[in-house]
Amino acid sequence: KAGVTQTPRYLIKTRGQQVTLSCSPISGHRSVSWYQQTPGQGLQFLFEYFSETQRNKGNFPGRFSGRQFSNSRSEMNVSTLELGDSALYLCASSLDFYTGGADQETQYFGPGTRLLVL
Amino acid sequence: QKEVEQDPGPLSVPEGAIVSLNCTYSNSAFQYFMWYRQYSRKGPELLMYTYSSGNKEDGRFTAQVDKSSKYISLFIRDSQPSDSATYLCAMSRNILTGGGNKLTFGTGTQLKVEL
Repeated sequence: KAGVTQTPRYLIKTRGQQVTLSCSPISGHRSVSWYQQTPGQGLQFLFEYFSETQRNKGNFPGRFSGRQFSNSRSEMNVSTLELGDSALYLCASSLDFYTGGADQETQYFGPGTRLLVL
Repeated sequence: QKEVEQDPGPLSVPEGAIVSLNCTYSNSAFQYFMWYRQYSRKGPELLMYTYSSGNKEDGRFTAQVDKSSKYISLFIRDSQPSDSATYLCAMSRNILTGGGNKLTFGTGTQLKVEL
């Protein structure tokens, strides 16, 4: 089974620009979560989408947004980029929790998109 | 104070050593506990997953959870140079009590296993 894929893998942008990152979850997974990883803050939760609806949100400004499509693929968007947005953005997918069982909550991560803001 | 505390290391051990990695947490609502391994410039890879107190073993890896002390550990036996990576503990609440799929991570411990 193919893993979580993220595109692009690397991105360089300048301050003020916006960026869109894409994530394709593992086949059959309906929950997609996004995380930001920086050396200073570590891994921080951005938001989670389930069945095209945002189910959970972290403490990030409104410049960070996301969406999920009917095929469970997800995109996140960052508008008006700041230098501090430079990070590794990770996407993780997990099974539909309605199926029951502990493994439903196991999240599998993609390789990430490394964003550099100049 | 962070919800999850983890010693960042770095931790350097000789090949074959037993490695002990630990995290403490403050939120008693956490019910699911995970250990991820992350190699440089890669995404985290799930190593161990448990949702109860006690021990869980998988090959050279043993995860231990003590909910009464809010303390979790990962032991690596017969450590190998290929185990050199950053180890991240992660926790989540129960989806049914509103936790969703949000993982709260420790800062990660950098491990180096030397020949």
